[in-house]
Amino acid sequence: EDQVTQSPEALRLQEGESSSLNCSYTVSGLRGLFWYRQDPGKGPEFLFTLYSAGEEKEKERLKATLTKKESFLHITAPKPEDSATYLCAVQEAGTYKYIFGTGTRLKVLA
Amino acid sequence: EAQVTQNPRYLITVTGKKLTVTCSQNMNHEYMSWYRQDPGLGLRQIYYSMNVEVTDKGDVPEGYKVSRKEKRNFPLILESPSPNQTSLYFCASSSLAGGNQPQHFGDGTRLSIL
Repeated sequence: EDQVTQSPEALRLQEGESSSLNCSYTVSGLRGLFWYRQDPGKGPEFLFTLYSAGEEKEKERLKATLTKKESFLHITAPKPEDSATYLCAVQEAGTYKYIFGTGTRLKVLA
Repeated sequence: EAQVTQNPRYLITVTGKKLTVTCSQNMNHEYMSWYRQDPGLGLRQIYYSMNVEVTDKGDVPEGYKVSRKEKRNFPLILESPSPNQTSLYFCASSSLAGGNQPQHFGDGTRLSIL
């Protein structure tokens, strides 16, 4: 069964304390892997798309990387405004369905 | 402003009373989709549409219907709602040009079925 698993479920960091979020997936072929940020009461907001192993993308304090079985979202020197739930989604090759992980709730303390 | 608009944002109703949640996008996107979000289960895809008159099931289609008669609209229909359909629902859209364009999400519809 195709699955997307995110860890940890929740993470508390002090401002400036860097860390990584993990997204592991099991699909027979990857069309794309997506990272989203979701704030309370809002819909998910797009961050990155990754297509193939070895690819990396960066935006401000966030960097996403991809291997054949997992993706990492690295957060460097986070700020309180980075507090949100981070969602990972996978689209399997040959299909236009999406499978989402259950997310990582990040809290950054000032 | 590019956006996906869902209505209503909140709805409390009773078992068996048919309801429709509307979704409209102003970006001329081909792909539209509905999700439900439940604690501990994450976002699960209900139905998606590749274009007008083209729809397909996601992972949890039971109890839902959709239609795509116009490119901008993709309503979600609950013919006979039941309490297990109480959830937070999101509509999303994306372009299919160039492969994997990211989805744009609406702000959600919170449905409570008593």
